[in-house]
Amino acid sequence: AQSVTQPDIHITVSEGASLELRCNYSYGATPYLFWYVQSPGQGLQLLLKYFSGDTLVQGIKGFEAEFKRSQSSFNLRKPSVHWSDAAEYFCAVGGNSGYSTLTFGKGTMLLVSP
Amino acid sequence: GAVVSQHPSRVICKSGTSVKIECRSLDFQATTMFWYRQFPKKSLMLMATSNEGSKATYEQGVEKDKFLINHASLTLSTLTVTSAHPEDSSFYICSALPGQGGETQYFGPGTRLLVL
Repeated sequence: AQSVTQPDIHITVSEGASLELRCNYSYGATPYLFWYVQSPGQGLQLLLKYFSGDTLVQGIKGFEAEFKRSQSSFNLRKPSVHWSDAAEYFCAVGGNSGYSTLTFGKGTMLLVSP
Repeated sequence: GAVVSQHPSRVICKSGTSVKIECRSLDFQATTMFWYRQFPKKSLMLMATSNEGSKATYEQGVEKDKFLINHASLTLSTLTVTSAHPEDSSFYICSALPGQGGETQYFGPGTRLLVL
């Protein structure tokens, strides 16, 4: 069975500082990996995704993530955090069959301090 | 592109009544849509997979007679919470897969349900 672990429930980062959110997955084959962001009371917005190819993927809002197969990780990074980045971030894994359900991590709440 | 809407955004109902939530893909066709439930400070729990023109596939533990799903067209899926009870109060989010066999789910803004 597939699973996703986000070990940090919440993280506080100073505005302008760099950010890394951790995500580890368990999946029996090559996974499709996603990062979504959710603002309070809102739905989920896709930040970026990895299907194949270059293991460093670029997303919207200046985010990037690196797929490391040997570590079963897909960590999200941003070089300089803005106050508007404060939100809940979810990592998700899906299959590569062209149609599959997603399994989400429990999320990491990002707080940005002035 | 790839916009998904939900209606209503929030609803309050009395215990015992039924509530219908609509999920629409606005600029693409979606053979497959998903319904999730999210509890406060919790992750998303997949309730069911909705396939256009066929019966929905429910996850284990989800009562199909309580959460009725209809995917009558390629742009619309509905979730009806029947005989709602206070424990059904939650945030319900839908997502849609563009085309057939698409890999990326696009999410709606969610519907906040409060059952009194």
